[in-house]
Formats: sequence, C-alpha cells, structure tokens
Amino acid sequence: AQKITQTQPGMFVQEKEAVTLDCTYDTSDPSYGLFWYKQPSSGEMIFLIYQGSYDQQNATEGRYSLNFQKARKSANLVISASQLGDSAMYFCAMRDTSGTYKYIFGTGTRLKVLA
Amino acid sequence: EAGVVQSPRYKIIEKKQPVAFWCNPISGHDTLYWYRQNLGQGPELLIRYENEEAVDDSQLPKDRFSAERLKGVDSTLKIQPAKLEDSAVYLCASSFRSRGGTYNEQFFGPGTRLTVL
Repeated sequence: AQKITQTQPGMFVQEKEAVTLDCTYDTSDPSYGLFWYKQPSSGEMIFLIYQGSYDQQNATEGRYSLNFQKARKSANLVISASQLGDSAMYFCAMRDTSGTYKYIFGTGTRLKVLA
Repeated sequence: EAGVVQSPRYKIIEKKQPVAFWCNPISGHDTLYWYRQNLGQGPELLIRYENEEAVDDSQLPKDRFSAERLKGVDSTLKIQPAKLEDSAVYLCASSFRSRGGTYNEQFFGPGTRLTVL
C-alpha cells in the first residue's frame, strides 16, 4: 500500500538560510511521482515541485529543489534562501500508476521563517 | 486566468442538517477532485471525476455523502445528514487528465471550512 511519511511536525529556519523538509514514501509500484505543495494560512494548496521515479536528475524550481534518494525512498524538499513568505504548511504527496492513480498526501510540516 | 472557485468559504451548521459545497474548476480541466482535510492532517481524497464520470469514489462515505459533476464542469458535494466528525476543510482541485505517466499538477481552490455543532 502507498504511504507518505513526514516526521517533522514543525521546523524553524532563519531568514536567508536553507532548510530541508523530510519526506519518505512507500510504494510497490516502480512508476510513481512525488510532489510538494505549500499551504499558507489562506488554505489554498500551491504546487511547488515534481519528481518522477525515473527521472535521473533531482528536480529544481527556483529556490526549491528536491533531494531524491530512490534507494532510501526519500524525497526531501530543500528551500534555499528562506523568505518570511515561506512560512506555511508543506505537504509531500505521491501518485503512482497502480489501480486508480491514487494521489496521497503526508501529514505535513509547518515551517516558520524567523526574521 | 481564474483559479478554482469554491463556495461558500465558511459554513456552520448543526448536526443532522444537510450542507452542500460548490466548485468551479479551471477552464479546460477535465479532472476534478474533492478532498477532505482534517485539522493538522493532509488532504484525503473523497472522489475524483474525469469529465462527468466518478472514476474513484472509494473513500467517499456513501451513506451520507454524495457528489455530482453535471456536464463535466462544476461540481457539488453534499452531506446529509451532517455529523460532528464531518467538521473539516473541504478542498476542490482540478487538473488536466493524466494520460499515463505520473505527472499530475493539481490546482486547488481555497476550500470550504465546515463546522458542525
């Protein structure tokens, strides 16, 4: 069965520093996608970055990068040069190609950027 | 371009009452999702539509929840009768249909926060 685990309920980071948010996953499907979403206090989920299981390189989108370690089944999000506006909940999600292409989310990590 | 629109943003009802949520997806998106997000948790899929067809409703509590997506555009999620444990944020999302592969960027609406008293 699919599973996403985010073990950090909350994280603090100083403004302009980098931070890593952890995500581990479990699936028996060889083909899957990993996603990170940001949820500010307004409630709307915002897509940040995607990594496919067959992608050879780690995904990057601006200040966001994904540290994908397939053998360890981890897909950590790295945010470089943190900004105050990065304070939010961050969710890791996975979608595989088995059955109904189910999309599942982790429990999230609340990031607080300190001035 | 308009994003996913949901209404109402907030709803407070007493238990046993009915409630309905409405979602208008991004124009051209054929796939629509309803999620429930409990406090401190990630979203959980309730139902996924591809056009008018509900292709995954395995997590929808069908004894009290119903959904429809007439004409394959906007959608309504209904709860009748509501229970205390239904208090949550109900999120709607839409995307282009993923034809094989795993890439599937979903665009979310702001959600409806339901409080059942």
